[in-house]
This record gives sequence, structure tokens and C-alpha cells, in this order.
Amino acid sequence: KAGVTQTPRYLIKTRGQQVTLSCSPISGHRSVSWYQQTPGQGLQFLFEYFSETQRNKGNFPGRFSGRQFSNSRSEMNVSTLELGDSALYLCASSLDVGSGGELFFGEGSRLTVL
Amino acid sequence: AQSVTQPDIHITVSEGASLELRCNYSYGATPYLFWYVQSPGQGLQLLLKYFSGDTLVQGIKGFEAEFKRSQSSFNLRKPSVHWSDAAEYFCAVDPLYGTSYGKLTFGQGTILTVHP
Repeated sequence: KAGVTQTPRYLIKTRGQQVTLSCSPISGHRSVSWYQQTPGQGLQFLFEYFSETQRNKGNFPGRFSGRQFSNSRSEMNVSTLELGDSALYLCASSLDVGSGGELFFGEGSRLTVL
Repeated sequence: AQSVTQPDIHITVSEGASLELRCNYSYGATPYLFWYVQSPGQGLQLLLKYFSGDTLVQGIKGFEAEFKRSQSSFNLRKPSVHWSDAAEYFCAVDPLYGTSYGKLTFGQGTILTVHP
């Protein structure tokens, strides 16, 4: 069974631009979560989607948004990029509530903002 | 405040030596507990998890963890470390017992260096 796939793996943007990251979950997984990982703040939860609905959201500004499609694939978007948005963005999928909270992570999309 | 603490930022061991990585949590009740590993340039891989029951949990790659309620700890151990174990290790908790809707709280991580 294929794992969680994230694209692109690496990207460079400049301040003020926007970026869209994509995540394909493990087949059969309907919950997709996004995390931001930085050396200073560690792993921070962005949001979670299930059946195209956002069920949970972390403490990030409105510039960070996401969506989920009917095939459970998810995208996250960051608008008006700031230098501090440089990070590894990790997507994770899981079966759903009752599966024990176990998350399966992709390899991440590393965003550099210049 | 509710938190997960990994006291050791960086640990260095020799190949073949034993390993123990510490994790302490501060929650009113025992949350679901996890250990993840992240190799350089990779995502996170689940090593093991504890929900309830036997306090000694076996995981993948020869790792185990012991839950101690009295110490609010969930320490990760391995009897003999291999060079390929060099990575960053994260302890994580789910205080809502599988209903956190994707939100695990992670410790700051412990970087493991293995000397030949």
C-alpha cells in the first residue's frame, strides 16, 4: 500500500507570493492533517480535514488555509508569504476517530521563503 | 499547563550501547502516548504507541517504551543501538483518546547521534 505522498518536495518562493502544497493520503484514509515543522517551534498542528470538512484548526493566521477533495486528497495554501513561513510542511493521514489517533506522515514539503 | 517534555535535546551513544530517551507529560489523565522517529529529510514514522494495559510496549526496529503513571513518563529504550538509529525522536500525546481530530501534541524532539 502506498504511503502518504506530498508534492512538491522542495520549493522556493519570495515574500508576498502564495504557495499551494498537495497531499495524497494512504488509500482508505479519510482524515488528513497538516503540520508545520520549524527548528524553533517544533511540530505545530495546522488543521485537519475529513470528508471535505475542516474539523480542527490550530493557532495559525488566516493566511494558512486548506481544503480536501472528494477523493480525500488535500491541499494547503499559504498566501502573502513571510520569511517566517519557511518550514517543513508535513501531511499526515489516518483512518478516523476510533483508530487510536495514529497518524501516518508523508516526507514533507520543504518551503523556503526568500 | 498541559505539555509534553523531552528533557534531552541531543544524546550521543556508541554503536552497540543501550539507549533511553525520556518523555514526560503533564495532563490531568493519562493521554494516548506515541513515539515517532524522523530521519534526516524524511517524514515521521511511528515507532510505538500506548493506549492502556501492559506498561511495557514493544515497537518496531527493536524499540520498546515503558509507561510509568507515577512519574508521568513514557521513556523509549533500545538495548543495542545501530548506526542507522541516528535520527530525531519525538514523543507525542493525544489527550482526547483518538478524538483529537488529527491534533497530536509533540515534544521538542531528541536528536540521537551514534558513534561507530
